Amino acid sequence: GDSVTQMEGPVTLSEEAFLTINCTYTATGYPSLFWYVQYPGEGLQLLLKATKADDKGSNKGFEATYRKETTSFHLEKGSVQVSDSAVYFCALNKNRDDKIIFGKGTRLHILP
Amino acid sequence: GAGVSQSPRYKVAKRGQDVALRCDPISGHVSLFWYQQALGQGPEFLTYFQNEAQLDKSGLPSDRFFAERPEGSVSTLKIQRTQQEDSAVYLCASSLMGTSGGVSYNEQFFGPGTRLTVL
Repeated sequence: GDSVTQMEGPVTLSEEAFLTINCTYTATGYPSLFWYVQYPGEGLQLLLKATKADDKGSNKGFEATYRKETTSFHLEKGSVQVSDSAVYFCALNKNRDDKIIFGKGTRLHILP
Repeated sequence: GAGVSQSPRYKVAKRGQDVALRCDPISGHVSLFWYQQALGQGPEFLTYFQNEAQLDKSGLPSDRFFAERPEGSVSTLKIQRTQQEDSAVYLCASSLMGTSGGVSYNEQFFGPGTRLTVL
């Protein structure tokens, strides 16, 4: 079945470091890909999305590119801040099946 | 309302008790989803409604789980005879069905969740 695999955490970085969180997926057809973020004490929020191959999603300095040839959607940010500390979920959605399939999440700690 | 709301936010139940979890979706949203998020895991799909019709309940883990949305708005997830393995955060999400560029895409907006602890 369809699935998402993302790197295990926790990931601990210093402020202003470069961030990469790896994500690969298995799915038939052409899924839409997402990164969701869950800040401490808050609900899931959509961070960015890409709906077709080679699309780049971006928001709040984060970017991810839909790579169909490698079935990947890695999350990157050039300079992280303490406020980026959260749990990040990679996810996919089949356009005709609206349910979202999530990875297990990666906890990110940014040290000042 | 401004977003998806869920109640209660926290629920403690003794094993064997029945519980009911409520979701108020964003007004006008056609689709409603329930997910279960175990500790340290990603959310997993439970069931899906389009208006009042339950179109997919393939993720419900057992017949102790039951969901309804009788008027196509508020939804209730009921768990009968709760077990310890039911302890999790239950998330509700709603979306406004739409199409862009010939592709159906529905962004889901999530509520804060109900944390259920079964003792």
